[in-house]
Order: sequence, then C-alpha cells, then structure tokens
Amino acid sequence: DGGITQSPKYLFRKEGQNVTLSCEQNLNHDAMYWYRQDPGQGLRLIYYSQIVNDFQKGDIAEGYSVSREKKESFPLTVTSAQKNPTAFYLCASMGTGGTGELFFGEGSRLTVL
Amino acid sequence: AQSVTQLGSHVSVSEGALVLLRCNYSSSVPPYLFWYVQYPNQGLQLLLKYTSAATLVKGINGFEAEFKKSETSFHLTKPSAHMSDAAEYFCAVGGYSSASKIIFGSGTRLSIRP
Repeated sequence: DGGITQSPKYLFRKEGQNVTLSCEQNLNHDAMYWYRQDPGQGLRLIYYSQIVNDFQKGDIAEGYSVSREKKESFPLTVTSAQKNPTAFYLCASMGTGGTGELFFGEGSRLTVL
Repeated sequence: AQSVTQLGSHVSVSEGALVLLRCNYSSSVPPYLFWYVQYPNQGLQLLLKYTSAATLVKGINGFEAEFKKSETSFHLTKPSAHMSDAAEYFCAVGGYSSASKIIFGSGTRLSIRP
C-alpha cells in the first residue's frame, strides 16, 4: 500500500543532542512537508520541499534542518539550537496538480529529558 | 493573507446527537477548505474538501460541510454521533498547490458521551 512512513514513533533524548526523524513516502509525490504539533496550537509548518535538492523554511524553521536528496525521503533534524523540541512531529506529502490535499504519516513523538 | 478560526477547543455530545464543529475562514482569494480528523497519537486523515464545486460537501464517515461565502464559514456536521467519532478535528484553508499556504486551525476535540 502507498503511504508515508515515519520513524521512530517515539523518541527520547537528552538536552543538547541532535536527533533525526525519518520520513519516507512511496506515493511518488513531489512535495513533502514537516509540521510540528503542540496541544491547542494546531499544526505549524517547519520546512517544505517541492522538488529534490530544494527546500524552503516554513513558519518555525529555527533550530531545525532538513535534506531532500531523494524524492522518497525528507528527514528532519532537530538540533540542540531548538529551545523547546518536545512535540509531536508530522510529515506530509502532496501530489502535483492536486487540490491541496495533504497525506500524513503517523507522526513521531519526541521527548527531550 | 489566509486564516482559519475554529470555535470551541472542546465539544462534547451524546451518542446519537448532532455533531456541529465550527470553522470560519479568511481568504483574499477563493479558498480551498478542508476538514481533517486525527485520532490519538496518529497522523491526520482527510475527511472532506471544498474546491469551488458544490457548496455542500460530503465526506467519509457520514460527515458533511457546507461552504457559506456570505458567512465565511465551513462548519462540519454529522446527524448522529457515534462513539468512534471521538477525535480531534482540524479545519484548514489553503491555496491551489503549495502546502506552505495551507493554514490549520487550532483544532476541536470531540468527545462522545454514552
């Protein structure tokens, strides 16, 4: 079945450590996105990529980094510069020529101790 | 600029009762509007979308929403709530292709009383 796979689902890290969240899709979608979800705040866009080897900052990019070396993969690194990294992270994709519908992975919950 | 406001962070209804989740939007261009559902510790799933065709949009699981331009609203309804409808619901307004212009509301948590 086509879809988006995020891993790990749960991750615990100590303060000051960088962590990388994986996102892989087999939907053949060009565009991929990372959102952060905090209780009561909806989803906020961190980074997005519309083609391989290109990506743009979203609304809350500070303290995060991404890469897009393959169409299928869009990993997110939460760096030690992110002041409050504990959150639920969602990866999504969108096909070209569509009507704005996003397809989401099941999310990764990061807890920094 | 586009924005979306969901009225009520938590709605509780009895099983079998009408579900009404409110969403108002602001957009300087004809909007695309979406409702997504999220079950605990999972990603979001599209319930329905409005893309300038019929103003009454039917989605999955018996939900529907009506686009009212004069009221800038896109409220989500379901005639009879089921226990399985308990989840968080997000309204979103978006552009025509780029998710960077898709703005999500803060969400409404729906609880169902037996």
